[in-house]
Amino acid sequence: DQQVKQNSPSLSVQEGRISILNCDYTNSMFDYFLWYKKYPAEGPTFLISISSIKDKNEDGRFTVFLNKSAKHLSLHIVPSQPGDSAVYFCAASFTGNQFYFGTGTSLTVIP
Amino acid sequence: EAQVTQNPRYLITVTGKKLTVTCSQNMNHEYMSWYRQDPGLGLRQIYYSMNVEVTDKGDVPEGYKVSRKEKRNFPLILESPSPNQTSLYFCASSFTRTGSGYTFGSGTRLTVV
Repeated sequence: DQQVKQNSPSLSVQEGRISILNCDYTNSMFDYFLWYKKYPAEGPTFLISISSIKDKNEDGRFTVFLNKSAKHLSLHIVPSQPGDSAVYFCAASFTGNQFYFGTGTSLTVIP
Repeated sequence: EAQVTQNPRYLITVTGKKLTVTCSQNMNHEYMSWYRQDPGLGLRQIYYSMNVEVTDKGDVPEGYKVSRKEKRNFPLILESPSPNQTSLYFCASSFTRTGSGYTFGSGTRLTVV
């Protein structure tokens, strides 16, 4: 049973516009959330994280929003750049050791 | 260069033939973990280790073994591989429990025929 879900397998956005990637989770015990980015033939790379005591975390062009009541988090990329084209995974944890990943969303930024 | 190194990158093997995928990190990280990536299922955690001689099961540990005899190495062992273990495997390491600093290896593409 998938505890972390990314319901959009793919997303296309024009360069310069905002990309919004969504993630839903089912386990209310999750207290730490992360986003990873993955290029083909490479391992995932850490992008940004948020703990459950916050509802927003920013790092440059990337912002993660957490809505605990809706069990929903989103990643905003503004402005989107062609180099952002990759697969994005969200992940969640409640022990700090065991992580649950979503199935990924493939983002294409069109120049 | 700080990195997680997995070997081999590609492996084709036959059912039942024991194999080991090696993982080594040069960052003195305490936490290490193995994942498999399958289409439509994302990344699933197989095993993780919090330190030398401390390991625990992740989400999908069946058919796998690990060991952590040294801090830098965390090999994944398939004693009797089966076709359903055909997958893309990633090793990762981190200083922190929360995984915010997880560094992943480049992956091992395993095919079991």
